[in-house]
Amino acid sequence: ILNVEQSPQSLHVQEGDSTNFTCSFPSSNFYALHWYRWETAKSPEALFVMTLNGDEKKKGRISATLNTKEGYSYLYIKGSQPEDSATYLCALESSNDYKLSFGAGTTVTVRA
Amino acid sequence: DTAVSQTPKYLVTQMGNDKSIKCEQNLGHDTMYWYKQDSKKFLKIMFSYNNKELIINETVPNRFSPKSPDKAHLNLHINSLELGDSAVYFCASSPVVGTSVRGYTGELFFGEGSRLTVL
Repeated sequence: ILNVEQSPQSLHVQEGDSTNFTCSFPSSNFYALHWYRWETAKSPEALFVMTLNGDEKKKGRISATLNTKEGYSYLYIKGSQPEDSATYLCALESSNDYKLSFGAGTTVTVRA
Repeated sequence: DTAVSQTPKYLVTQMGNDKSIKCEQNLGHDTMYWYKQDSKKFLKIMFSYNNKELIINETVPNRFSPKSPDKAHLNLHINSLELGDSAVYFCASSPVVGTSVRGYTGELFFGEGSRLTVL
């Protein structure tokens, strides 16, 4: 299980504002980087699976970038809405064994 | 229809008891997993099955035994429950296999979790 760090642990953002947060991971033996969105009392849901350095993926107002050489990924939320309030998890998939190592998550609270 | 369903959602039991958590997926996926959310909120893999075959078995006490009667079901049985077993356990499935021999994990589909409390 690899060390995956997410920062900040939590953040509050005003409705309509944009925000971003980071997932850091060891760059050796990289295979893929996953992002999941986890709303309270629900299951984590996959947002993106990214494999290539420089990858950018977008789903609605949420997008992510990936830098495998320096070992980080950013998740961006544009024009935050209350329904974006959730914990966002990233997970590193290693090329050694393809197991996922999860970060502890960034909890986003959007204030109306 | 719930894609990955776990039962029970809540389980409160005494130390020393034996309990099971059931998981079923109706997505037609070949691979199923059990994850444990630890005290620091990290999701950590415990087991993975592909088509009823155990492919990932992390360092988990042998009091934990997964059973997969068919590829749509993966149950978790825990013997002689201890206080430290209290956690939320998540079942998940994916359409691909996650071992270095066979392939990559792909996107995981999670159940809603089963909160186990051992008193």
